[in-house]
Amino acid sequence: AQKVTQAQTEISVVEKEDVTLDCVYETRDTTYYLFWYKQPPSGELVFLIRRNSFDEQNEISGRYSWNFQKSTSSFNFTITASQVVDSAVYFCALSDYNTDKLIFGTGTRLQVFP
Amino acid sequence: GAVVSQHPSWVICKSGTSVKIECRSLDFQATTMFWYRQFPKQSLMLMATSNEGSKATYEQGVEKDKFLINHASLTLSTLTVTSAHPEDSSFYICSAPEPGGDEQYFGPGTRLTVT
Repeated sequence: AQKVTQAQTEISVVEKEDVTLDCVYETRDTTYYLFWYKQPPSGELVFLIRRNSFDEQNEISGRYSWNFQKSTSSFNFTITASQVVDSAVYFCALSDYNTDKLIFGTGTRLQVFP
Repeated sequence: GAVVSQHPSWVICKSGTSVKIECRSLDFQATTMFWYRQFPKQSLMLMATSNEGSKATYEQGVEKDKFLINHASLTLSTLTVTSAHPEDSSFYICSAPEPGGDEQYFGPGTRLTVT
């Protein structure tokens, strides 16, 4: 069975701090996709990244970076120099290669204080 | 980028009534759409896969007779919550995969409150 675990329920940081959100997944599939989504208070999900299981290269996009480690089944997300606008719930998700069904983790609520 | 809309954005209904929620892909065709449910401060749980021109497929534990899904066209899927009860109060979100792309587009969600 597929499963996504986000052990950190809530994280609070002060602006400009770096913060890493952890994601560990379980799947028996050899090919799959991993995702990160941001859910601000408005509720609408914002797509951040999709990574396929063949590509273990780390990704950087502005202040965001992702570390995919297949050996530990982890797909961690780091925000550098956090800002108040980064405050939201962040979800890690997994889908298999053939369907677009997403299995979500329980989410990590990030609060960035000024 | 592609946009998925939902209507209504929020609805309050009385226990025992039925509520229909629409999900539209605005600038692309979606043969498949997904319906998720999110209880307060919880994760999103997949309820069902909506397939254009055929029956929806439901996840384990989701009552298909209670949550009726109709994918009438390539741009519209509807979810009807029949005989709603207070425990059906939730945030319902639909999504559609980007054709040939990486992203899955999510609608803004519909907050249902059953009194």
